[in-house]
Amino acid sequence: ETGVTQSPTHLIKTRGQQVTLRCSSQSGHNTVSWYQQALGQGPQFIFQYYREEENGRGNFPPRFSGLQFPNYSSELNVNALELDDSALYLCASSLVGGPGELFFGEGSRLTVL
Amino acid sequence: QQQVKQSPQSLIVQKGGISIINCAYENTAFDYFPWYQQFPGKGPALLIAIRPDVSEKKEGRFTISFNKSAKQFSLHIMDSQPGDSATYFCAASFSNTGNQFYFGTGTSLTVIP
Repeated sequence: ETGVTQSPTHLIKTRGQQVTLRCSSQSGHNTVSWYQQALGQGPQFIFQYYREEENGRGNFPPRFSGLQFPNYSSELNVNALELDDSALYLCASSLVGGPGELFFGEGSRLTVL
Repeated sequence: QQQVKQSPQSLIVQKGGISIINCAYENTAFDYFPWYQQFPGKGPALLIAIRPDVSEKKEGRFTISFNKSAKQFSLHIMDSQPGDSATYFCAASFSNTGNQFYFGTGTSLTVIP
């Protein structure tokens, strides 16, 4: 059973640029969620995808968008990057109807200069 | 508004001692309360979880105590070990929204040998 994998692990962008982060879900999981974890803070829910459609969204602006593919892999896209977007972005997979556990990847560390 | 409040921010415990981390939540509709453990450079991993129909759950050295009337729950780590040194996050979710979790701000635990 493979775990959740994310890429890239680290990246540096400048303000105003766009970024795409990628996630491969754990085998058998049909739901993927994205969280933003600022330094010294807990993860904040960005959105969740189920059956390739957004299925819940946190308090994040529309410049944060996502995709889920038929193989349950996922992308997080952020446009018009701001300095405050610097954070660890965590992907988590889970199973609808399951016990509720989130399986997190190791994250993508984004630095916006 | 912070849905889940966690304390203390940091905790130092001697090896063999008891570590206690507390959380309080606002929304009485929450029905799943997990604790996640995060090591540096890693994503959070589920440690133990409880639902509001029980007041206590124990798994090995880890125990969750749940007080529904006070809207509080806590993590107790018995016989704390240096390997327990990590950041701990409490969280809460609504089952009917899939797996959107609200996390606390985290507690950095250091266990001194």
